[in-house]
Amino acid sequence: AQSVAQPEDQVNVAEGNPLTVKCTYSVSGNPYLFWYVQYPNRGLQFLLKYITGDNLVKGSYGFEAEFNKSQTSFHLKKPSALVSDSALYFCAVRDMKNAGNMLTFGGGTRLMVKP
Amino acid sequence: NAGVTQTPKFQVLKTGQSMTLQCAQDMNHNSMYWYRQDPGMGLRLIYYSASEGTTDKGEVPNGYNVSRLNKREFSLRLESAAPSQTSVYFCASSPVGFGWEFFGPGTRLTVL
Repeated sequence: AQSVAQPEDQVNVAEGNPLTVKCTYSVSGNPYLFWYVQYPNRGLQFLLKYITGDNLVKGSYGFEAEFNKSQTSFHLKKPSALVSDSALYFCAVRDMKNAGNMLTFGGGTRLMVKP
Repeated sequence: NAGVTQTPKFQVLKTGQSMTLQCAQDMNHNSMYWYRQDPGMGLRLIYYSASEGTTDKGEVPNGYNVSRLNKREFSLRLESAAPSQTSVYFCASSPVGFGWEFFGPGTRLTVL
C-alpha cells in the first residue's frame, strides 16, 4: 500500500528566510508526487508535481521540490519565504502501477511565516 | 469557467438524517473524486469515478454512496448520518493521464 508522511505538523520561518517542508513516501511502483496548498476555508490548490525527469521540480509561487529516490523524499522548498505563504501544505503520491491510481495524502504541515 | 463547484457550502444534520452533496465540473474531466478532510489526517478518498458510468470505493467508503450522474456531476449521499461523519468534504476532478486533481471549495458538514 502507498503512504505519505509529513513529519512536521508545523514549520515556523521568518519572512525572507528559506523554507523546507518535508515529505517522505512509500509506493511499490514508480511514484507520481505532488504538493498542494490549502488556504483557510478553501479547497486544495496544485503547486507542483514530479513524474519523471529532473529531480528538481519548479512550481507555482516560487516553490520547488526535490525528488530523492534513495531517501524516498520529496521536500518542498522556497528560497525566500513570504508572509502570504502561510498556509497548510499537503504532499501526495500516486502509484501509477496500481489499479485505481488513487492519490494518497500526507497529514499536512502548517507553514507559519512571521514578519 | 467555474472549475469544480460544490453545494451546499455548510450543512448541519441530526444523527440519522440523510443528505446528498452535489459536485459539478465544467472542465470536461473524465475522473471525479470525493474526499473527506479531518484534522491531522490529511484527505482520505471516499469514492471515485474513473469515467462516466463507473464508481469505485476508496479508503473510507462505509456510510456513503455515490452517483456519477453524467460526465459533469458526481454526488455523494449519506443515507443515515452519524457524528463520525462530521468533516469537510471535497470533490475533485482530473483529466485522464494528467496526474493531478482540481479541487472544489468544500462542504463543511456537522452531524449532531
